[in-house]
Parts: sequence; structure tokens; C-alpha cells
Amino acid sequence: KAGVTQTPRYLIKTRGQQVTLSCSPISGHRSVSWYQQTPGQGLQFLFEYFSETQRNKGNFPGRFSGRQFSNSRSEMNVSTLELGDSALYLCASSLGTTTYEQYFGPGTRLTVT
Amino acid sequence: GQQVMQIPQYQHVQEGEDFTTYCNSSTTLSNIQWYKQRPGGHPVFLIQLVKSGEVKKQKRLTFQFGEAKKNSSLHITATQTTDVGTYFCAGYSGYSTLTFGKGTMLLVSP
Repeated sequence: KAGVTQTPRYLIKTRGQQVTLSCSPISGHRSVSWYQQTPGQGLQFLFEYFSETQRNKGNFPGRFSGRQFSNSRSEMNVSTLELGDSALYLCASSLGTTTYEQYFGPGTRLTVT
Repeated sequence: GQQVMQIPQYQHVQEGEDFTTYCNSSTTLSNIQWYKQRPGGHPVFLIQLVKSGEVKKQKRLTFQFGEAKKNSSLHITATQTTDVGTYFCAGYSGYSTLTFGKGTMLLVSP
């Protein structure tokens, strides 16, 4: 089975721009979660989608949004980028709820200048 | 909200020494999961513990879930250089999302 894929792998954006990141889960997985990883804050939960519905949302501003398509692929969007948004953005897929093991993608490294 | 604390933040050992990382939750957990992230890589699932007092072993790794289901530990016996990485615990209380600890970075010197 193919693993979780994320595109692009690296991005450089300037402040004020917006960005869209994409995640393709493992075939058959209906849950996709997004995390922001930074050296200081560790892995912080952004949101989780299950069957195209946002099931949970972390404590991030409204500039961070996401969606899931009928084929379970997911995108997250960050508008009005700030320097502090520089991070590794990881998506993880699982069979169902977060009680199932999560399979992480390689991440998208976003640098905001 | 639910908080998961992990200690130590960092540990440097000589190859062959043992290593333990501890995880404590502010709330009772339904389950706890452990992940390993190699430098430059992404977190990889290691194991899930569900039952109070549960102990599971994977070769040199021993995972424990506390009786009160609020703490957990990962112990590595006789570390090897391949054990290098950051070990995360992640807990699910049933009332919130899967919450990750900040991880313990393990460095092993040959």
C-alpha cells in the first residue's frame, strides 16, 4: 500500500501571501488530521476531517482552514501568512477516529520570509 | 484542555545504556500511543496501549500504561545508534483530539 503523500514538500512564501497544502491519505483511510510541528511547540493539532466533515479543530486562528474531498484527499489553506507560520506541516491518516494509529506523511516544510 | 507532559526533553546516552521517557496526562486517557521520529523524518507509530496497567514489549522496547491511565513510559534496553530520534507519546481522552507530548529527543553515542 502506498503511504501518505503530501505536496509540495517545500515551500517558501512571503508574509501576507496564502498557501495551500495537499495530503493524500492511505487508500481506505477516511480520517485525515493536520499538525503543525515547530521546535518550540512540538506537534500541535490543527484539525481533523472524516468523510468530508471537520470533526475536530485545534486552537489555531481562522487563517488556518481545511477541507476534505470525497476521495478522502485533504487540503489545508493558510491565508495572510505570518513569519510564525514557518513550520513543518504534517498530515496523518487513519482508518477512523484518533483511537486508531495514525500514519504520517513526510510533511511540507513551509518557510515564510 | 487536556495536556500531555513528557520528560525528559532530551537525553544523551552511550550505546548500550538504557533509556526511559515518561509521559503524564492531566486527564484520564482512553488510550496512549507512542511514535518515533527520526531526524529529518516524520513520526512513525510504534504502539498503542489501552488497558490499565498494560505492558507491551517490542524487542528492546518496553511500554507501560499506568494503573490510573494517566501516565505511561517507554524503556529501551541497551540502546543502539539506530534508536536515535524523538519519541512522542500521544493520548486520547475521548473528549478531545489526540494530544501529543512535546517529545523526548534521544541521542546515542557509539
